[in-house]
Amino acid sequence: SSELTQDPAVSVALGQTVRITCQGDSLRSYYASWYQQKPGQAPVLVIYGKNNRPSGIPDRFSGSSSGNTASLTITGAQAEDEADYYCNSRDSSGNRVVFGGGTKLTVL
Amino acid sequence: QVQLQESGPGLVKPSQTLSLTCTVSGGSISSGGYYWSWIRQHPGKGLEWIGYIYYSGSTYYNPSLKSRVTISVDTSKNQFSLKLSSVTAADTAVYYCARFTVVTRRDAFDIWGQGTMVTVSS
Repeated sequence: SSELTQDPAVSVALGQTVRITCQGDSLRSYYASWYQQKPGQAPVLVIYGKNNRPSGIPDRFSGSSSGNTASLTITGAQAEDEADYYCNSRDSSGNRVVFGGGTKLTVL
Repeated sequence: QVQLQESGPGLVKPSQTLSLTCTVSGGSISSGGYYWSWIRQHPGKGLEWIGYIYYSGSTYYNPSLKSRVTISVDTSKNQFSLKLSSVTAADTAVYYCARFTVVTRRDAFDIWGQGTMVTVSS
């Protein structure tokens, strides 16, 4: 399968911890990367590889993986973390990539 | 710092070919370890990978679009381009160019253009 599945929406109370998940067969072989997208803006890479953050991404963002599921965890969610989050990985062929459908995160 | 900028018509007629160019600045498109990519986002929807190209010319496309898509690279101009043929209203979307970094096994889209809205309408 070349699909990645995400929950459409997740909410978290301000300052609490939230986990956003991504499921797919290709995740057994490849790491997921995670992107944050705010309205009207291009996506921004927040996590890649086993658990790596690009420069400038707060350390409250972390990634993990187990079996066919990758997770993005935000520890101590802030109001500015309210956004859409997309996972991405190579597909089963390894030559192409696929995105998850996205998760809308609401910070209450 | 590498930056990407999309350019091209914002309005395309049905059945015509959509053509966009992405200009790479601050770095060379011929540097190994990167796939130069096109991604689109329909209004209010998620991200859809269209395809990517290596500087050598090797291309990979989304199977759902493969019959209509051509991605090419012009290393002399430090640009890469997208052509999508036989467009319909369903191709109306924001089109992004992005760099997919494979060096050090990053395997991620680490640099994105700002995106350009393309509307298909007569």
